[in-house]
Amino acid sequence: DTEVTQTPKHLVMGMTNKKSLKCEQHMGHRAMYWYKQKAKKPPELMFVYSYEKLSINESVPSRFSPECPNSSLLNLHLHALQPEDSALYLCASSQGRGIRHGYTFGSGTRLTVV
Amino acid sequence: AQSVTQPDIHITVSEGASLELRCNYSYGATPYLFWYVQSPGQGLQLLLKYFSGDTLVQGIKGFEAEFKRSQSSFNLRKPSVHWSDAAEYFCAVGALRAGSYQLTFGKGTKLSVIP
Repeated sequence: DTEVTQTPKHLVMGMTNKKSLKCEQHMGHRAMYWYKQKAKKPPELMFVYSYEKLSINESVPSRFSPECPNSSLLNLHLHALQPEDSALYLCASSQGRGIRHGYTFGSGTRLTVV
Repeated sequence: AQSVTQPDIHITVSEGASLELRCNYSYGATPYLFWYVQSPGQGLQLLLKYFSGDTLVQGIKGFEAEFKRSQSSFNLRKPSVHWSDAAEYFCAVGALRAGSYQLTFGKGTKLSVIP
């Protein structure tokens, strides 16, 4: 299995809702990432998990809450989002802390906040 | 801090023509360089990567890139473009931070292909 699977593919949520994005990989990768991508922009790093521990939080608002329950799974919990949070949310993974094989990206969750 | 510049926002080529997408990087140490492609609404797919050794690297889908340290460049090339190559292309540099490597992306180049 050489894929990163993200669910759901599309999500529409109100500003008072609570929802979660899920990311799963079975490649044995020990680093996982959340990126946010606005239209016509490059991906921007949000969080880095290394060996199931949060190693980097790029000053992301607390309405985004990441969770890494095990080495294969990464969640992003969403609460009280704003319309400007609408974007494509990408999950990626890599082998340990290295980068020799680059990142493997999922196909993303298209989030719309109404 | 590391950075990547892709000078061309949008490039249009005819099908069958050659292609070169430019990328310049800034990084103090030996760079880890990547090219990714993204189709609309999709994730990113790795085309090729450079760490060391041969400065001309081959990737998937017939793409290649050449690393030129003197010019801080890592340009992507393809000898004959196919209509299916129309997509957004991102150059990225991998840099060590907080004990793990991270990717920093350029702003991307959108490729349009004329039949």
